[in-house]
Amino acid sequence: AQSVAQPEDQVNVAEGNPLTVKCTYSVSGNPYLFWYVQYPNRGLQFLLKYITGDNLVKGSYGFEAEFNKSQTSFHLKKPSALVSDSALYFCAVRDPDYNTDKLIFGTGTRLQVFP
Amino acid sequence: DAGVIQSPRHEVTEMGQEVTLRCKPISGHDYLFWYRQTMMRGLELLIYFNNNVPIDDSGMPEDRFSAKMPNASFSTLKIQPSEPRDSAVYFCASSSLGIAFFGQGTRLTVV
Repeated sequence: AQSVAQPEDQVNVAEGNPLTVKCTYSVSGNPYLFWYVQYPNRGLQFLLKYITGDNLVKGSYGFEAEFNKSQTSFHLKKPSALVSDSALYFCAVRDPDYNTDKLIFGTGTRLQVFP
Repeated sequence: DAGVIQSPRHEVTEMGQEVTLRCKPISGHDYLFWYRQTMMRGLELLIYFNNNVPIDDSGMPEDRFSAKMPNASFSTLKIQPSEPRDSAVYFCASSSLGIAFFGQGTRLTVV
């Protein structure tokens, strides 16, 4: 069965430092992977996706994610964190073999950026 | 497009009452999803539709929950009767080509 795991409930980082939010996945075929962000009292917003091609994908707000097939990971990164990046981040996977838009979300990681 | 529109934004109701949550998806999107978010259980997929047809309702917690999509521009999630444990934020999302767009959610409080 397809699944994603976000091993960290919370990540703390100082403003200006690089940040990484971890995600690992398990699917039967080649995965479609996504990152979403949720700000307080808002719905989830799409950040970026990996379908195929370059393993490093760039998204909104300066975020990027690296797809690593051998480690089945899709970690979210940003070179320099901002206080405004503080939010809840969700990794998600869609199994293309099932021919559906249904996404399986991770449990979320709360990112706290300190001034 | 204004995005996915949900109403109401907030709903407070008494236990035993019927609650109806509404969603207008983005025009042209062929999938519609209903999610529930709580601190304890995180984000849960309740049901989803493809081209107005329910595909998977295995996440609907009980028979008290029902969802309909009478046309491509409207969906409802109904809870009857409501219970305090149904208190949560309910999100509707629509998608096309795999990217889901979420509404702002309905915060339901059942007292």
